[in-house]
Amino acid sequence: AQSVTQLDSQVPVFEEAPVELRCNYSSSVSVYLFWYVQYPNQGLQLLLKYLSGSTLVKGINGFEAEFNKSQTSFHLRKPSVHISDTAEYFCAITGTASKLTFGTGTRLQVTL
Amino acid sequence: SAVISQKPSRDICQRGTSLTIQCQVDSQVTMMFWYRQQPGQSLTLIATANQGSEATYESGFVIDKFPISRPNLTFSTLTVSNMSPEDSSIYLCSVVAGGPSYNEQFFGPGTRLTVL
Repeated sequence: AQSVTQLDSQVPVFEEAPVELRCNYSSSVSVYLFWYVQYPNQGLQLLLKYLSGSTLVKGINGFEAEFNKSQTSFHLRKPSVHISDTAEYFCAITGTASKLTFGTGTRLQVTL
Repeated sequence: SAVISQKPSRDICQRGTSLTIQCQVDSQVTMMFWYRQQPGQSLTLIATANQGSEATYESGFVIDKFPISRPNLTFSTLTVSNMSPEDSSIYLCSVVAGGPSYNEQFFGPGTRLTVL
């Protein structure tokens, strides 16, 4: 069985401040890891993915994530957030069957 | 990548009725899925839509409630049957695209369903 834990349901942050959204996973097999973003009243958009290779993955909109196998983590970071980054962020994993298991989501609220 | 469209984008339905949601992809894809996102919650996989055969349902979801068709490699439908207010959710289809070495999923814009 697979599971994803997003430790923070909400993260408030001021504009231009750095942010880290935490994600831990559990799986008995090798997994691929993803971060998706969902803007208000919109569908899901892929931010970045880890399939193999370098553990530091860069995505769109200045986001990056680091895969840490020993800690089973895939935390998402951005050095300086913008108001437009306000959204729901979902961490997800999949094994060989391609079926995604999602975390419960983290609401990033960026304020001035 | 893959471009996915869903119809309808939203609907308000009466209890006891059924709604069929369509998912259209701009290219042929092998794997297609249907997810549900209940208000304020994460996404839960309903089923894998298999081309030319019966869908594979996840625990807690049954064919009588969520019949799925997939007549070809670019199209699928999900029907929400005998609806109740608890079925109010966003329903999303997704596809896997990018070749055999990738497991990247692309999502449709979703169908927002409200059941009164």
